[in-house]
Amino acid sequence: DAGITQSPRHKVTETGTPVTLRCHQTENHRYMYWYRQDPGHGLRLIHYSYGVKDTDKGEVSDGYSVSRSKTEDFLLTLESATSSQTSVYFCATEGSGANVLTFGAGSRLTVL
Amino acid sequence: AQSVSQHNHHVILSEAASLELGCNYSYGGTVNLFWYVQYPGQHLQLLLKYFSGDPLVKGIKGFEAEFIKSKFSFNLRKPSVQWSDTAEYFCAAFNSGGGADGLTFGKGTHLIIQP
Repeated sequence: DAGITQSPRHKVTETGTPVTLRCHQTENHRYMYWYRQDPGHGLRLIHYSYGVKDTDKGEVSDGYSVSRSKTEDFLLTLESATSSQTSVYFCATEGSGANVLTFGAGSRLTVL
Repeated sequence: AQSVSQHNHHVILSEAASLELGCNYSYGGTVNLFWYVQYPGQHLQLLLKYFSGDPLVKGIKGFEAEFIKSKFSFNLRKPSVQWSDTAEYFCAAFNSGGGADGLTFGKGTHLIIQP
């Protein structure tokens, strides 16, 4: 795999608190993605990045922001977490140019 | 916008039964198609992919899928399933004429294989 590490793997937080999820990759892949996975919805794209400081919104970007200051790190921030953001978040990278995504192990976030 | 539809949300089979999971995509142009699998408690892994050429593609663990352009379909098949195939299966598509905004996934099919 592309050496993708997500942290934290599990987090429980309260409504209104800020949360940052980190995705770290060791393969120097250009493209990085944040998806959320919810029962009955499959995977939905939150934000993606096509290079350092180059990011764009996905299908479900409201309430989320991202930053990519280095090739290897892609951060997902929930400025003020809500219960609807309880989900499993997956980071993915693409480096082969063949649209094949490699996924991290996921971060399970519970917002109480 | 492109969309991917998976016909069955839950499928229960007995071991040795044959499997076919349906997938349809909406985009009429050139697409790259994928099946990913997520075993319980694990992350998504690529099962197989289709870019061009032979419409029948073979993946890992005995899975195969057939691209039928006229039907906008990319169904996943396996002749004889095993208990270890219990997992969630996602069909995904990428519009090769579009931007870098990743794959569009179906909602997934939860497959349970009974011993």
